[in-house]
Amino acid sequence: AAGVIQSPRHLIKEKRETATLKCYPIPRHDTVYWYQQGPGQDPQFLISFYEKMQSDKGSIPDRFSAQQFSDYHSELNMSSLELGDSALYFCASSTRTGGSSGANVLTFGAGSRLTVL
Amino acid sequence: DAKTTQPTSMDCAEGRAANLPCNHSTISGNEYVYWYRQIHSQGPQYIIHGLKNNETNEMASLIITEDRKSSTLILPHATLRDTAVYYCIALTLPGSARQLTFGSGTQLTVLP
Repeated sequence: AAGVIQSPRHLIKEKRETATLKCYPIPRHDTVYWYQQGPGQDPQFLISFYEKMQSDKGSIPDRFSAQQFSDYHSELNMSSLELGDSALYFCASSTRTGGSSGANVLTFGAGSRLTVL
Repeated sequence: DAKTTQPTSMDCAEGRAANLPCNHSTISGNEYVYWYRQIHSQGPQYIIHGLKNNETNEMASLIITEDRKSSTLILPHATLRDTAVYYCIALTLPGSARQLTFGSGTQLTVLP
């Protein structure tokens, strides 16, 4: 079965540079979520999109932005990178098909590991 | 969403059942209990969810007390690959898309 695809898997950047992470949700999933997980931390919700519109916003820094495109893939853009942005970034997708309780069944990608030097 | 409380860590012998408890004493009538797990540095993985009836799937069983104030996730025959952080999350049905909030889960270590 198709899974959530994230790219790149690993990314190394310098401070103050810009990074872009991409996420391709499971086909026919209508919602995409972005999470950030720092070393030794639990995943923290950043932002979500439902049918290409921003749905919820969590602890996403102003230096970060995201969008969902017409083909449902999503991109997380991070500017003026700081050392503290080094983390695993997970994308997840879900759908309300099959009952709304299923909308809380998120499928996560393998993550993108960002290292800021 | 109701706050959930889980033990910080648990050990389980390989091949034995792993029983992971979760307290959610302030859960409301329309909140489901969801369980996810995260194997080290991998994306979190959905396990099971339920409202008030016990549920079973190919991965685990979920036992919810009659008053719904607590639940137990049961992995019937734990393997080394089940070593992970397990998260119990209480969540209402979404009126719109809703995110999961991961709190402090239980680090389950399956011992050989």
